[in-house]
Amino acid sequence: GAGVSQSPSNKVTEKGKDVELRCDPISGHTALYWYRQSLGQGLEFLIYFQGNSAPDKSGLPSDRFSAERTGGSVSTLTIQRTQQEDSAVYLCASSFGGLSYEQYFGPGTRLTVT
Amino acid sequence: QKEVEQNSGPLSVPEGAIASLNCTYSDRGSQSFFWYRQYSGKSPELIMFIYSNGDKEDGRFTAQLNKASQYVSLLIRDSQPSDSATYLCAVSKRFGAGTRLTVKP
Repeated sequence: GAGVSQSPSNKVTEKGKDVELRCDPISGHTALYWYRQSLGQGLEFLIYFQGNSAPDKSGLPSDRFSAERTGGSVSTLTIQRTQQEDSAVYLCASSFGGLSYEQYFGPGTRLTVT
Repeated sequence: QKEVEQNSGPLSVPEGAIASLNCTYSDRGSQSFFWYRQYSGKSPELIMFIYSNGDKEDGRFTAQLNKASQYVSLLIRDSQPSDSATYLCAVSKRFGAGTRLTVKP
């Protein structure tokens, strides 16, 4: 079956512009996660959606970052007024249930802010 | 204090040896523990998960969990060059920085 997909695979943007990153989770997975990975670093948790519960936004680094999940499926991560330090690979993952289930990762979106 | 801590390495072992990877965590109430492998330029993929104290074995991999010590480890027996990757410890939704493992032929 289809895995987690993300688009675009690469995004180059100018400092100060807004960007939207998209994630399509595995069908039937109720949980969706966004992470950020800078070069040579681990995964930085950003936000977690589980079913119809309020999202866990505790990892969002600033109010320039927001995410939504429509219809319990597709999610969009929006970064407003991008800064150079936002440059990273943004990974999306989904899981069958909540935090006790393994996560399946998408291929990531490489964001470069110039 | 970081929520999930790992030695960043790099860890280098000869082919056929046992590689030991360690992880500590700060949230005593954590219930789910995972080890992911990440090859360079690729996304993480699950190696093992463990929920209960003790050992869990799957092929050449053994995960060990000690909740009292807030410690989880991964042993890789008969290490192969193809095991060379970064190993990420995850506690619930939080990840460590990863340990880079190199297995030398």
